[in-house]
Parts: sequence; C-alpha cells; structure tokens
Amino acid sequence: DVVLTQTPPTLSATIGQSVSISCRSSQSLLDSDGDTYLNWLLQRPGQSPQLLIYSVSNLESGVPNRFSGSGSETDFTLKISGVEAEDLGVYYCMQATHAPLTFGSGTKLEIK
Amino acid sequence: EVQLVESGGVLVQPGRSMKLSCAASGFTFSSFPMAWVRQAPTKGLEWVATISTSGGSTYYRDSVKGRFTISRDNAKSTLYLQMDSLRSEDTATYYCTTGGAWGQGTLVTVSS
Repeated sequence: DVVLTQTPPTLSATIGQSVSISCRSSQSLLDSDGDTYLNWLLQRPGQSPQLLIYSVSNLESGVPNRFSGSGSETDFTLKISGVEAEDLGVYYCMQATHAPLTFGSGTKLEIK
Repeated sequence: EVQLVESGGVLVQPGRSMKLSCAASGFTFSSFPMAWVRQAPTKGLEWVATISTSGGSTYYRDSVKGRFTISRDNAKSTLYLQMDSLRSEDTATYYCTTGGAWGQGTLVTVSS
C-alpha cells in the first residue's frame, strides 16, 4: 500500500500567519491517465472530513482561496495563506491513484 | 447539493453483526465507486472497503476480509456495509465517501 508521510504532526499559528503542510508519498501518484489523485481534507473538531483540494491543486467549490495545493509525483504541499480561526482542525492528505485509498496521519492546526 | 447520510451504527457485543447504510443524493450515485472509511476514537482515517460502480468488484482491508461485505443498490442510491463477527477493534465512526464527498458518519461501538 502507498504510505503518505505528513509533516508536521502539529502546527500552531497566529491569525493571519501563512503555514504549509507537507505530504510525501512512498511512490509516484501520477496515474496512467495523466491525473494525480492527491486530495487534501480538513476535519474540524466534531465534524466529518471535508474536501479542500482535489487532484493536487484544484480548489473544491466553496473553499476559500487562501487554501492552495501544489506538488507532483511524490511531494505535495498544502498552503494556507493567512490562517483564520475557522481553519483549526486536522488536515489529511489522501491518495486515490493506487488501490487501496490511503491517508496521511494528519496535521493538527492549532490557533495561538 | 451532494449528500451522504449514514445510519445503522449502534452498541453491539463482540461476535455479533450489524449493517450500515448510506443514502446518497444530489449526484448520479451509479457513476461513482464508493468506499467506507473508519476512524477509531482519537485516531486517523482508515480505509475499510471499496465497491465499483456496478458492484461487480469489491475490495477490503485485510483485517475485515471475510467478515465485512460492501454492497450497493444503484436503484435506491444506497451503499451498505454488512459487518459480521465484530471485534472490539472495529469500534469506530464509519464514513461513506466518494473520495470527495463525505457523510457525517455513524458510530459503531463493539463492547460487552
């Protein structure tokens, strides 16, 4: 199975600060169809996960544009440009290129 | 609006069975592979099972093979997870997901 290594495990940020989360894959996530099925999810406290970014860099409808994704092959990054209070929670990367679906271990974002 | 609504989670004794359902709406259910993902208390996300659009292909994590059965009824836009021989380690919130859309989850507690 593909192993996704997320860092850092926890992140503490002030309002307005920009932060980045890394997700590294044990193998390339470039699919034979040319797409890269790496998504970013946010799970707010007490809620189910929600999709933020799909296919590396595509912003899900309704998600603020302070969120952005980048990367290729095995190295991916989620950036939040100007953290807001509502961004607290646990961020997960998830890959769907190779069966089975696998997830990173999560990055908990705390607001100082 | 895309909606996934899980139901069926309860407290059950080890060795017993349970069936979860996930009612989908707001999208063409029959066009999407579907998955069950679980989250044990205070833990990360863990893939459980996936089913193809027609239901003809199913995949399971090793720890549930032979005990869990994923199925779907495309006419009813509903996904199912039959769970037999339940163990304490199956205790978790179970989510149905397309990979993008997620339900609110249903809590399964296995305890004597």
